[in-house]
Amino acid sequence: EAQVTQNPRYLITVTGKKLTVTCSQNMNHEYMSWYRQDPGLGLRQIYYSMNVEVTDKGDVPEGYKVSRKEKRNFPLILESPSPNQTSLYFCASSSDRSGFGGELFFGEGSRLTVL
Amino acid sequence: SQQGEEDPQALSIQEGENATMNCSYKTSINNLQWYRQNSGRGLVHLILIRSNEREKHSGRLRVTLDTSKKSSSLLITASRAADTASYFCATLPTSGTYKYIFGTGTRLKVLA
Repeated sequence: EAQVTQNPRYLITVTGKKLTVTCSQNMNHEYMSWYRQDPGLGLRQIYYSMNVEVTDKGDVPEGYKVSRKEKRNFPLILESPSPNQTSLYFCASSSDRSGFGGELFFGEGSRLTVL
Repeated sequence: SQQGEEDPQALSIQEGENATMNCSYKTSINNLQWYRQNSGRGLVHLILIRSNEREKHSGRLRVTLDTSKKSSSLLITASRAADTASYFCATLPTSGTYKYIFGTGTRLKVLA
């Protein structure tokens, strides 16, 4: 089954404790991206990756890191989480190679609480 | 800042009625997409309309795009209780970066 898998789905952590949210897709997609969703603000893009070893900042990259060492995986790293990073996080991927954009496939989300 | 803004923010209708929601954006785009999200779940792609298209249909969905007004509308005909969800528009600007911009969404409630 074609899917984007995120882990963990739920996490409560404390300020400053490094954490990684994993994202894996089995569709051989080149494009992957991370979003955070906050009430009243919709989804905001954190980082995206056009291909292996190619990543770029989205609109809200501060406090986050990503890596794309393999095509299928795109982990989101919070080196020193703070309470304002409490949010619902989504990973998405796309097969689009045209550069004009295509359907995004989303994971089920990771709800993160930073105390 | 958010480029896409949906209108209305919330909509409540009876089953069988049509639901219309609108999206406005600010810059030139390559395409515009609509997504559905059931309460806290992942977003599901509904339809994509390219900047050179004016109207597109998919089942009970009809999407229009007016690039001169920088706006789009999503019409769901003969709505069902299962259509209850939040709906988001997403745009990909022609700026050269691959940054999708999502709106803040319309919460649709269909009453049985």
